[in-house]
Amino acid sequence: GQQVMQIPQYQHVQEGEDFTTYCNSSTTLSNIQWYKQRPGGHPVFLIQLVKSGEVKKQKRLTFQFGEAKKNSSLHITATQTTDVGTYFCAGVPDSSYKLIFGSGTRLLVRP
Amino acid sequence: ETGVTQTPRHLVMGMTNKKSLKCEQHLGHNAMYWYKQSAKKPLELMFVYNFKEQTENNSVPSRFSPECPNSSHLFLHLHTLQPEDSALYLCASSQDWISYGYTFGSGTRLTVV
Repeated sequence: GQQVMQIPQYQHVQEGEDFTTYCNSSTTLSNIQWYKQRPGGHPVFLIQLVKSGEVKKQKRLTFQFGEAKKNSSLHITATQTTDVGTYFCAGVPDSSYKLIFGSGTRLLVRP
Repeated sequence: ETGVTQTPRHLVMGMTNKKSLKCEQHLGHNAMYWYKQSAKKPLELMFVYNFKEQTENNSVPSRFSPECPNSSHLFLHLHTLQPEDSALYLCASSQDWISYGYTFGSGTRLTVV
């Protein structure tokens, strides 16, 4: 079936270091979204990417959608302790309307 | 608060009990969803309602029974659950089923004993 894979599963960084999580789909996506879930919390919508090759920025966060619309990445520059949480990508396959979530990357930041 | 309210926040139930989870959204959205979040598994879509009509049942066992009386309220009725059904149950809403950027509730942490 349709899958959205996300790596790495965990990332432990020193505060100030950069962080990147990658998302890959087995099928072409009409759009991809990113969510953040703090420990003990619920997923919170961050952004949606629709166009091939699209890049969007939110302060220290940079989101990219691949040219083939099958992969995406989230890059955080100079991590802070407030960035701790699990980051999920979620994609909508071209042939479907269902939003399929990746397994998430858990980010831990050492102060 | 996110605009999507779930009650209760925590629930412990026996395998022979019947209970219900409630979700209410104050965002004027027309689509509502139930997701299951277990440890070490991706978020699993369970049910989708669009304008009160169920548009998706993602092969969910019949011991989970959804109800959507109007566009603002969504229930998940539970009966004869198994311990492996213990998880965080999340409700979400969006403007409609083809517009995205879901707003999630805080979830109900369910433990089946």
